[in-house]
Amino acid sequence: GAVVSQHPSWVICKSGTSVKIECRSLDFQATTMFWYRQFPKQSLMLMATSNEGSKATYEQGVEKDKFLINHASLTLSTLTVTSAHPEDSSFYICSAAKGTSGVAQYFGPGTRLLVL
Amino acid sequence: GESVGLHLPTLSVQEGDNSIINCAYSNSASDYFIWYKQESGKGPQFIIDIRSNMDKRQGQRVTVLLNKTVKHLSLQIAATQPGDSAVYFCADSPRGGKLSFGAGTTVTVRA
Repeated sequence: GAVVSQHPSWVICKSGTSVKIECRSLDFQATTMFWYRQFPKQSLMLMATSNEGSKATYEQGVEKDKFLINHASLTLSTLTVTSAHPEDSSFYICSAAKGTSGVAQYFGPGTRLLVL
Repeated sequence: GESVGLHLPTLSVQEGDNSIINCAYSNSASDYFIWYKQESGKGPQFIIDIRSNMDKRQGQRVTVLLNKTVKHLSLQIAATQPGDSAVYFCADSPRGGKLSFGAGTTVTVRA
């Protein structure tokens, strides 16, 4: 199998607070994990690529100081939305690459963030 | 920008009929293609993938066809069921790089 979990599944927070989202590969090791953001009725937008033991690679236009990514082990990556504001409200989805040579990504169930 | 796009944003199909979802890509360097299904409020679910050295690959009730000449990818679903109603995304990857997603096709199955 290739199961990826995310926690929490949804979160509501006040403006200015920080929120941490966890992504875990449950039955395989993932050297590379990815973080996406999805707005309603839109496609997935890659935010960053997270590599175990090294710094994340951010896509153009994504603030690395705003969206902190840590990939401390082969089964866990975290995304922290710092000083969240209402415009950060979105559906955040992680994925983990199984195997080598950049093959299929398996996605988590997503985390819905609402910033009040 | 996106290197992958879908021909139609929506598709309505009668239950029991076959569905065909199309996708065009522009990156000649793409050598890996994948289809995902996303139900409302959930993460994308892997359906089937294909490498550029193949033209066709079959799974359970699904078939992916790749035409490299015209840079076209399609997903065929046999005997469409109500549970197939979802948004379907194609994605491509050049030489093992990151995936680039298309806009998605919303499939609605009519009873």
